Amino acid sequence: DIVMSQSPSSLAVSVGEKVTMSCKSSQSLLYSSNQKNYLAWYQQKPGQSPKLLIYWASTRESGVPDRFTGSGSGTDFTLTISSVKAEDLAVYYCQQYYSYPWTFGGGTKLEIK
Amino acid sequence: QIQLVQSGPELKKPGETVKISCKASGYTFTDYSMHWVKQAPGKGLKWMGWINTETGEPTYADDFKGRFAFSLETSASTAYLQINNLKNEDTATYFCARYGWYFDVWGAGTTVTVSS
Repeated sequence: DIVMSQSPSSLAVSVGEKVTMSCKSSQSLLYSSNQKNYLAWYQQKPGQSPKLLIYWASTRESGVPDRFTGSGSGTDFTLTISSVKAEDLAVYYCQQYYSYPWTFGGGTKLEIK
Repeated sequence: QIQLVQSGPELKKPGETVKISCKASGYTFTDYSMHWVKQAPGKGLKWMGWINTETGEPTYADDFKGRFAFSLETSASTAYLQINNLKNEDTATYFCARYGWYFDVWGAGTTVTVSS
């Protein structure tokens, strides 16, 4: 199974700050035939279901604000929020869909100071 | 609009059976597979497996083989998760999620509480 590791497990930032969180996979998620990384990011706000933010490691889902950016390739990925808003309070999960079983990282909990 | 509507919360005793539903609307049900994800209280997300909505063939993650069953009622665009012989550790919220390379639509979740 591919192990997904996220860091930090939690962080607290002030509104307007830039946030970067990391996701590492135990094996490459880059499929050589199409040069796509099979990695998605989800946001789960308290009491809600997860919401897709980013897929193919860097493609923003329709309707997702452009302050959210996904980057990285192979085994190292990053989710950046350029200027945090209070509404971004949530847990962020990365997930690989390169090979079964699909696996999620443990999450990064974003708190607002 | 595209949505997955799940059934309501369940309170069960150990050893009982629960069946959760996930009704899809706003898209062609058989165009996307349906997956199930478990979230224990205060914990992260765990993929349980999926069902091919064209053939009805289920695939289970290793930790969910035996007591868990995915099924369909295609005419009603509905997927089901059944858990038999419930155990305390089955207490969790269960999400259905549409999959077309990634999970782009999620149900609101169904909370199952197992307690004697």
